[in-house]
Amino acid sequence: EVQLVESGGGLVKPGESLRLTCEVSGFVFTSYSLAWVRQAPGKGLEWVSSISSSGGYIYYADSVKGRFTISRDNANNSLHLEMNSLRAEDTAQYFCTRGDYSKFLFWGQGTLVTVSS
Amino acid sequence: QSVLTQPPSASGTPGQRVTISCSGGDSNIGSNTVNWYQQLPGMAPKLLIYTNNQRPSGVPDRFSGSKSGSSASLAISGLQSEDEADYYCAAWDDSLSGPYVLFGGGTKLTVL
Repeated sequence: EVQLVESGGGLVKPGESLRLTCEVSGFVFTSYSLAWVRQAPGKGLEWVSSISSSGGYIYYADSVKGRFTISRDNANNSLHLEMNSLRAEDTAQYFCTRGDYSKFLFWGQGTLVTVSS
Repeated sequence: QSVLTQPPSASGTPGQRVTISCSGGDSNIGSNTVNWYQQLPGMAPKLLIYTNNQRPSGVPDRFSGSKSGSSASLAISGLQSEDEADYYCAAWDDSLSGPYVLFGGGTKLTVL
């Protein structure tokens, strides 16, 4: 059974940093691209970042470029999102998902990030 | 970044057929495939339609997708109460400023 489990969310102040982790099981980790998608409270889905199976291709939304860094640990079957210089508008549920381009078949349940003073 | 435009709401009665549109541009829907997601309240999104008109295993054939030019549509026939959810279209955008994954703004479907 494919499972993606996010962790690392929480309450932080503007300007602070946070690192999200997605632990994956049930499939060959190194064969698939992964991504982060977020959803602000009461709002729609927003793609954040994608990383290819090898980690050689990485893409970011303009809204997070230069502040967020996606990475993957193929030895430990985990995906990470390092978030720096957090802003109030980064407050959202962050979902880890497996897939590439815009086809995401498997999703985690998400971890909530709240940025507030 | 470009946007994909969906109507904010749609509605229908049980048994009816409803369609949800998704309008984009040359760099996204016009040159890439479209995927559709269903999100029930409090749940993670679920892939409903991929590659314009394909259904993942387990998705009822009441759900269908189509694409023409820079627009796409999701159709739900034989509407059921459990179809009440938010629906999102998505497409890859390979414009010069990208590439990006674009999601539509979402359509809230109400079953009356």
